[in-house]
Amino acid sequence: EDQVTQSPEALRLQEGESSSLNCSYTVSGLRGLFWYRQDPGKGPEFLFTLYSAGEEKEKERLKATLTKKESFLHITAPKPEDSATYLCAVRRTGNQFYFGTGTSLTVIP
Amino acid sequence: DGGITQSPKYLFRKEGQNVTLSCEQNLNHDAMYWYRQDPGQGLRLIYYSQIVNDFQKGDIAEGYSVSREKKESFPLTVTSAQKNPTAFYLCASSIGLTGANVLTFGAGSRLTVL
Repeated sequence: EDQVTQSPEALRLQEGESSSLNCSYTVSGLRGLFWYRQDPGKGPEFLFTLYSAGEEKEKERLKATLTKKESFLHITAPKPEDSATYLCAVRRTGNQFYFGTGTSLTVIP
Repeated sequence: DGGITQSPKYLFRKEGQNVTLSCEQNLNHDAMYWYRQDPGQGLRLIYYSQIVNDFQKGDIAEGYSVSREKKESFPLTVTSAQKNPTAFYLCASSIGLTGANVLTFGAGSRLTVL
């Protein structure tokens, strides 16, 4: 059964304290793993797409990596404005997307 | 600016009423989607459409209906048959089956049943 699991559910960091969010997945015919940021009461905003194991992408303080079973979103020296829920999704053959439940990140000044 | 417009942002429904959520996109995307988001759960797919006049049921289509008469528009009707409609509804679009196929989301509509 296709599944996407994100951990931890919630994470509190001090400003400047680096950490990582995890997204583990089991899906047949993976056609991409996606990271989104969602602010309260708003729609998700696209961050990254990863397609193959070993691939990495960076944007400001965020870096996403992919293995055959999981993806990590590394946050380096976070700021309070990085506080949001981070969603992971996988796209499988047939154009279906499966989403995890998200990690709620709070960065304390 | 290109994007997806959802309306209304907030909607209240009495039990037994049908309500329609609007979704319009000016991105020239072929594919459009409706997702439902509940606290503690991942986004769940209600319906999706890959081309005008065609749409497919997602994982939780019961109690919902859609139409795709124009490329730009994909309205969702929440019918009285939906037993627990209170949720945050998200419309999304993507280029189609080919390419990166990144989902672009609207700002969402929050439906509350009174």
